[in-house]
Amino acid sequence: KNEVEQSPQNLTAQEGEFITINCSYSVGISALHWLQQHPGGGIVSLFMLSSGKKKHGRLIATINIQEKHSSLHITASHPRDSAVYICAGKTGNQFYFGTGTSLTVIP
Amino acid sequence: DSGVTQTPKHLITATGQRVTLRCSPRSGDLSVYWYQQSLDQGLQFLIQYYNGEERAKGNILERFSAQQFPDLHSELNLSSLELGDSALYFCASSAEGRIYNEQFFGPGTRLTVL
Repeated sequence: KNEVEQSPQNLTAQEGEFITINCSYSVGISALHWLQQHPGGGIVSLFMLSSGKKKHGRLIATINIQEKHSSLHITASHPRDSAVYICAGKTGNQFYFGTGTSLTVIP
Repeated sequence: DSGVTQTPKHLITATGQRVTLRCSPRSGDLSVYWYQQSLDQGLQFLIQYYNGEERAKGNILERFSAQQFPDLHSELNLSSLELGDSALYFCASSAEGRIYNEQFFGPGTRLTVL
């Protein structure tokens, strides 16, 4: 069983739709990292958060430490948002990664 | 461009061999992290160095070792290579070693073991 579970595994959306990707974890974590991996393989760090909510452009990340749950929202989705989104929980000096959500946004 | 560089971009080698992957962090970043991404295991954290010292250890095999040099670049050494070591190896850097610091990822080194 993975310490970090993501849902859905795959997601297809029409351009402009509001998208939510969920991340649940079973271990106690001190911070959660959202990563975006482009089709070419490059990884970009989107957010690192330990409580509350963070916003950057059309991306919003929330976390509820007590409920062990985080969500990544994308507003007004665009084809360039097509990527794999990975969450990672940090506990002590360890990182636990989800298996990723593959998002395809269709024009 | 994250400012983190990794060389080489691609590496093809044979089982039993040893390779060295290199990472240069963003200017001013003291922490370097190494990750392995394989098809069957996904992303895994290997090891973190902070200002030359090992800070955290993840799922790093005994055949693998790393170090961070005084100029803050880091090398990941993989020895006695096996087919299962074929993967993308990423390094990332952050300003400090604290848990809340954002990490900046390099483009990765794709290792193929034949």
